[in-house]
Amino acid sequence: DGGITQSPKYLFRKEGQNVTLSCEQNLNHDAMYWYRQDPGQGLRLIYYSQIVNDFQKGDIAEGYSVSREKKESFPLTVTSAQKNPTAFYLCASSRNSGTTNTIYFGEGSWLTVV
Amino acid sequence: AQTVTQSQPEMSVQEAETVTLSCTYDTSESDYYLFWYKQPPSRQMILVIRQEAYKQQNATENRFSVNFQKAAKSFSLKISDSQLGDAAMYFCAYRFAGTASKLTFGTGTRLQVTL
Repeated sequence: DGGITQSPKYLFRKEGQNVTLSCEQNLNHDAMYWYRQDPGQGLRLIYYSQIVNDFQKGDIAEGYSVSREKKESFPLTVTSAQKNPTAFYLCASSRNSGTTNTIYFGEGSWLTVV
Repeated sequence: AQTVTQSQPEMSVQEAETVTLSCTYDTSESDYYLFWYKQPPSRQMILVIRQEAYKQQNATENRFSVNFQKAAKSFSLKISDSQLGDAAMYFCAYRFAGTASKLTFGTGTRLQVTL
């Protein structure tokens, strides 16, 4: 099946630890995105990548880091510098151009600080 | 910067009735896309409908249709014959038509469907 796979579904982080959320897609999409959603709120963009080995900061990039070494993969690291990381994280992907440039989402990952 | 505004935090509709969710946006671009996404309790973001700004005809997908008013920068979603499964958060979103541009979301409208 084609789609976007995020793992783990649930993750607990201790204070001061870095954690990495995985995102893999087999849709042959060029662009990938990470969004954060807090309870009762909309989605805010953390980072996005248009092509391999290139990425740009979104609206709330502080305390996060990403890499894009492969077209299929766009992992997100939540560092200890992120002061309030408890949230729902959504990965997404899309084609870069053309008429079919709808953004599709994975099922999300819950991160809780304990 | 583009902004998307959903002024209705919550809406309620009776089963089989029709409901309209409002969305306005602000942009200086002329070529863009607009979307409505549905987020059920599972939190999965599901595309409901999309509209290309260069098309004058309003998009429709079965029971879902939009009223796209480009000059007014308005993009409302109409759900006809509402079903219990339509209960969810609905997000309006904007995307510039340029290469790999980001998706900007509104704050969402929670739709309740009652018997």
